[in-house]
Parts: sequence; structure tokens; C-alpha cells
Amino acid sequence: DAMVIQNPRYQVTQFGKPVTLSCSQTLNHNVMYWYQQKSSQAPKLLFHYYDKDFNNEADTPDNFQSRRPNTSFCFLDIRSPGLGDAAMYLCATSTGVEQFFGPGTRLTVL
Amino acid sequence: AQTVTQSQPEMSVQEAETVTLSCTYDTSESNYYLFWYKQPPSRQMILVIRQEAYKQQNATENRFSVNFQKAAKSFSLKISDSQLGDTAMYFCAFMKRGYSTLTFGKGTMLLVSP
Repeated sequence: DAMVIQNPRYQVTQFGKPVTLSCSQTLNHNVMYWYQQKSSQAPKLLFHYYDKDFNNEADTPDNFQSRRPNTSFCFLDIRSPGLGDAAMYLCATSTGVEQFFGPGTRLTVL
Repeated sequence: AQTVTQSQPEMSVQEAETVTLSCTYDTSESNYYLFWYKQPPSRQMILVIRQEAYKQQNATENRFSVNFQKAAKSFSLKISDSQLGDTAMYFCAFMKRGYSTLTFGKGTMLLVSP
């Protein structure tokens, strides 16, 4: 089945230790998104790619970076995680209207 | 900028009953989409239903239907014959036509009890 896959599902890192979350898709969608979702809150868009074009939200901290080496894969790099970065990170894909979400990666920062 | 407001943080309903979740939005755009997404506990978010603003007819997907009032900027979701599997956080979302990013409301947690 076509899908959005996120690895790992659970990630534990230490304060200040760089961490990378990955997302892959078999849907061949041209748009990919990264969201941060904290408990009982709406997802907050961090950035998205329209093909190779990177679009950063104005309030996304510099601590968050992203890479999209090809259509299928997208990575979220957190350079120096703080306690406030503990959250669920959702990847989503789209052809422009409906978004398809992955299961998320729950990040814990110790 | 667009805003989406869901005024009901939590709602409860019994199995087989009907429940309506409210959503209002504010925009100066005339061409847009509205969505309801469902996020069950510890499971991924999925699209429940979508509405194109230029369509007057309310969208329907099986037990899920919307009441879209464009002039009032209101977009409520009605769930008929509620099932235990409907227990989830429901997010109302807005997208300008021609753009690809969503503006979410804060969500309504729906609990369906036996």
C-alpha cells in the first residue's frame, strides 16, 4: 500500500545532542511537510518542500533544519535539542490539496 | 492571514447518537478548501471530509457530513450513528486554493462511549 513512513517511531536524545528524524513516501507526492505537535495541540507547520523548493515558516527556530535529497525522502535535523523540543513530529505529503500524514515520531529529550 | 476557531475543546456522545462539531473561520479569500481531519489516540491523522468553497452542496462521506455556511464562515461536522472508533481529536483546517499549507483549529476531542 502507498504510504508515508516515519522512522524511528520513538526517539530519545540528550539535551543538546543532534538528532535526525526521517520520512519516506511511496505516494510520489511532490509536496512534503514537517509538523511539530505537542500534547493536545494542533500540528504546527515547521517547513515544507514543493518539489525541491524549500519553504520555511517564519517562526520555525533556526535549530530546525531539513533536507530532501529526492522525491521519496525528507529529513528533519534538530541541531541542539532543548527540553522544549520534546514533541510528536509529523511528516505529511500532498499533491497540493489533501495531505497524507505519517504515524509520527515521538521525540523525548532528556 | 486566516484563522480557524474550534470552540469546543471536548465533546462526549453515546454510541449510535449524532453529534455536531463546530468550526468557524476568518478569511478574506473567496477560493479555498475546508477540511476535517481525525487523529485517533496514538494513531495517524486522516482526512475525514473536505469541502471546496465554490461548491454550494455540502460534502458527505458515509456517516460524516458538513454544514458549510460560506457567508457565516461556518463549517460544522455532523457524525451520525457514532461508533466507538470515532473517538479521536478532530481538527478543522483551512487551505487557500492554489496554496499547499493548512491552517488548523485547536481541535475538539470527541469521546464516544458505549
